[in-house]
Amino acid sequence: DVKVTQSSRYLVKRTGEKVFLECVQDMDHENMFWYRQDPGLGLRLIYFSYDVKMKEKGDIPEGYSVSREKKERFSLILESASTNQTSMYLCASSLWSGTNEKLFFGSGTQLSVL
Amino acid sequence: EDKVVQSPLSLVVHEGDTVTLNCSYEVTNFRSLLWYKQEKKAPTFLFMLTSSGIEKKSGRLSSILDKKELFSILNITATQTGDSAIYLCASPGAGSYQLTFGKGTKLSVIP
Repeated sequence: DVKVTQSSRYLVKRTGEKVFLECVQDMDHENMFWYRQDPGLGLRLIYFSYDVKMKEKGDIPEGYSVSREKKERFSLILESASTNQTSMYLCASSLWSGTNEKLFFGSGTQLSVL
Repeated sequence: EDKVVQSPLSLVVHEGDTVTLNCSYEVTNFRSLLWYKQEKKAPTFLFMLTSSGIEKKSGRLSSILDKKELFSILNITATQTGDSAIYLCASPGAGSYQLTFGKGTKLSVIP
């Protein structure tokens, strides 16, 4: 089974701190994604990556950056955390394919910014 | 802009009831529609539908796609408390890599 692992289940940070959320997948997937999930808003795509060192902005990239130095690892960075970034963050991966869009998700990181 | 709309947003039923969850979509170059179940944290894959009129089934869950009317339904028969979850519907848009998600339907099954 594909495993997508997020390094932290819960994080509490202060406003202005730099925050790193780590995600690792073990199935050699080309594509990796970061979503945030908020009540009433559903899942919204922050960034995705379709190859090492490649990244594309999603729907809500402002205030975030990403890093993909190795194929299995995709990091989400909050340069200066703000209270409106309190949310559930979900990482996902998928095979590159025009006909297979099935995503595999990690268990999520609940981030609270105080 | 690609759009996926789910209804209802929340639903409370008693054990044993049958429920129908709805998902409509407006997606450029439609290829597929996916259903996920999210119980605690990680959404888990249920079905992927690509062809109109062909039902996908897994136990008490089934789903069907209508490409003419641009919607899909997810049916759950003889509901159990373990079916309580958020059910997400999604479709890949014009780009090849990303899914557009609906806001989800929160299903609560009470004994």
